Amino acid sequence: EVQLVQSGAEVKKPGESLKISCKGSGYSFTSYWIGWVRQMPGKGLEWMGIIYPGDSDTRYSPSFQGQVTISADKSINTAFLQWRSLKASDTAMYYCARQGYSTPFYGMDVWGQGTPVTVSS
Amino acid sequence: EIVMTQSPATLSVSPGERATLSCRASQSVGSNLAWYQQKPGQPPRLLIYGASSGVTGIPARFSGSRSGTEFTLTISSLQSEDFAVYYCQQYNTWPFTFGQGTKLEIK
Repeated sequence: EVQLVQSGAEVKKPGESLKISCKGSGYSFTSYWIGWVRQMPGKGLEWMGIIYPGDSDTRYSPSFQGQVTISADKSINTAFLQWRSLKASDTAMYYCARQGYSTPFYGMDVWGQGTPVTVSS
Repeated sequence: EIVMTQSPATLSVSPGERATLSCRASQSVGSNLAWYQQKPGQPPRLLIYGASSGVTGIPARFSGSRSGTEFTLTISSLQSEDFAVYYCQQYNTWPFTFGQGTKLEIK
C-alpha cells in the first residue's frame, strides 16, 4: 500500500525549534516529489514548498521562504519540515503529500494524515 | 504568484441535484489544475488532475473541464458523502497555489 505517515502532534513554545517528518512507503520514494501544505485552524490550504528526494531539489513558496526548511533523507524514505524559531502564527495542521513522478507537475495524489502543531506560551 | 479564485464561497444544493463549482486563474496555467475534496478532520483527496482527468477510484459523477483560465468541477448527482470543501490547485508555475475553497453544503 502506498502511504505517507507523518510524525505526531507537537506542542511548543514561541522561539523553540521543531522538525516534523513524513515517511513514505509502498513506492519508490526517490522518484516522486513531496510537497508540504499548511492549513491554519478553520482556514484553507496553503502550498509551502516541495522537494525531490532523489536529488534534494527544493522549491519554496515566497510566503514560506526563509521561514521553514524542507529536507529529505532518502536512506530512510523520509521528508522533513523544520522551523528554527516558532511563532504562535505557526499553529496549524501540516500535511505532506506526494506530487508527481519525476516531475512535480501533477496533482497531490497521496497525502499524509497531517501533523498538528500548536505554538503557545 | 498566480492567484486562484474559487466561486462561490458556499454552495447549497439538495441531494440528487447537480453542483457546479468554479475556479479562475489570474493567468494561464494551461491544463495544470487539480481539484481536491476535504472533509472535516481528514486530509484532502485528489479528485481531478490535468483539469479533466479523473483519478482512479473516484466516482464518475465527478468531472472537470477547462475554458481558458476558467475551470469547473461538476458533481452530476450529489450524494450525502459529497458535502465537503473543494479546492482547486494550479501546478503550472512556482509557487503552486490553491484557491480559497468552496464549501458544498446540504440545502
